[in-house]
Amino acid sequence: NAGVTQTPKFRVLKTGQSMTLLCAQDMNHEYMYWYRQDPGMGLRLIHYSVGEGTTAKGEVPDGYNVSRLKKQNFLLGLESAAPSQTSVYFCASIRVGAREAFFGQGTRLTVV
Amino acid sequence: AQSVAQPEDQVNVAEGNPLTVKCTYSVSGNPYLFWYVQYPNRGLQFLLKYITGDNLVKGSYGFEAEFNKSQTSFHLKKPSALVSDSALYFCAVRDDAGGTSYGKLTFGQGTILTVHP
Repeated sequence: NAGVTQTPKFRVLKTGQSMTLLCAQDMNHEYMYWYRQDPGMGLRLIHYSVGEGTTAKGEVPDGYNVSRLKKQNFLLGLESAAPSQTSVYFCASIRVGAREAFFGQGTRLTVV
Repeated sequence: AQSVAQPEDQVNVAEGNPLTVKCTYSVSGNPYLFWYVQYPNRGLQFLLKYITGDNLVKGSYGFEAEFNKSQTSFHLKKPSALVSDSALYFCAVRDDAGGTSYGKLTFGQGTILTVHP
């Protein structure tokens, strides 16, 4: 049972490049989330999904897009990376009615 | 809207002494409260949670937290600190607002705990 798996774990991008971060969970959870972690800011919600085919904006959605074509996967896309998107990205998932979310190990992204 | 505040960016304590990491919160409904720890270059690890029931919650690695509804606080405590407890600690809240919160967590800014030998 892998839980929540994020791919890749590390990435360096040049300004203007695009990339997709993949989050996969094998627990059949309905809700999934993308957070970013920045020093002194804690974790902030980027986008979330309450089910396959549905997504919604969180606190800091600008510059990101997401898709949830399959229940087990939640993709975070950066169409044109900017240095301000240098951060550690965490994915999480939770079953409807449960109290505790499960987090991935994080993706450290650097945009130069 | 829900919010969390961790008033101390850093907490320093000597090994063997008790430690407290402070957290206050604001929600419109009943709070679900969590503490997570992050060791250098690692992911988030769950420590403990308060959902309902006893105000003193016990969690992993000897940590506990006290829920105080009147002060809207959920401070993390440990009776005797270890050097290995040195890490970044996050408090988080989820609003149990009739299911419309969709499990979204709001995190505090984090507190760096340093335990000196």
